[in-house]
Amino acid sequence: AQKVTQAQTEISVVEKEDVTLDCVYETRDTTYYLFWYKQPPSGELVFLIRRNSFDEQNEISGRYSWNFQKSTSSFNFTITASQVVDSAVYFCALSEWGTGFQKLVFGTGTRLLVSP
Amino acid sequence: EAQVTQNPRYLITVTGKKLTVTCSQNMNHEYMSWYRQDPGLGLRQIYYSMNVEVTDKGDVPEGYKVSRKEKRNFPLILESPSPNQTSLYFCASSPHATGELFFGEGSRLTVL
Repeated sequence: AQKVTQAQTEISVVEKEDVTLDCVYETRDTTYYLFWYKQPPSGELVFLIRRNSFDEQNEISGRYSWNFQKSTSSFNFTITASQVVDSAVYFCALSEWGTGFQKLVFGTGTRLLVSP
Repeated sequence: EAQVTQNPRYLITVTGKKLTVTCSQNMNHEYMSWYRQDPGLGLRQIYYSMNVEVTDKGDVPEGYKVSRKEKRNFPLILESPSPNQTSLYFCASSPHATGELFFGEGSRLTVL
């Protein structure tokens, strides 16, 4: 069965610090997709990235970067030089081939607090 | 503007009084789904739909029903709400099951 673990419930940093949010997943399939979503204090959910299991290249988008490691079943998210606007709850999610990719399982989320 | 619209955004109701949360998308997306968000539990999938008249259970379907009679609409029905269904509900749509999800703004439901 698919499972996503975000062990960090809450992280507090000071602006300009780098921070890494951990995501560990479990799946029996070799074909799957991983996602990150952001939920700012206003409450909406915003897509950040999607990665399929065959693409292990790390990705960088501005201050955001993602490290996908199949060997450790992890898909970690790093924010470089954090800003107050990065304060949000971040969710990692997984869908797998065995369910036709139709079932999406989310982690419990990591709340990031960035103080000035 | 591309969007997913949920109504109502806020609702307080009583145990046993049937209610429907509507969800509509204007992006011609095939895939739609419902989630509930509870503190400490993250987001959990209730139901999903691959297309018109095609729906299936997610991880927490008990106490809920859905229908997909039109591509754009995917209502969530609580036939006999109970206090444990007090939650924040999100509807989402996507061009396909593996795609980026577009979420509605959420519906906060309280069942007394």
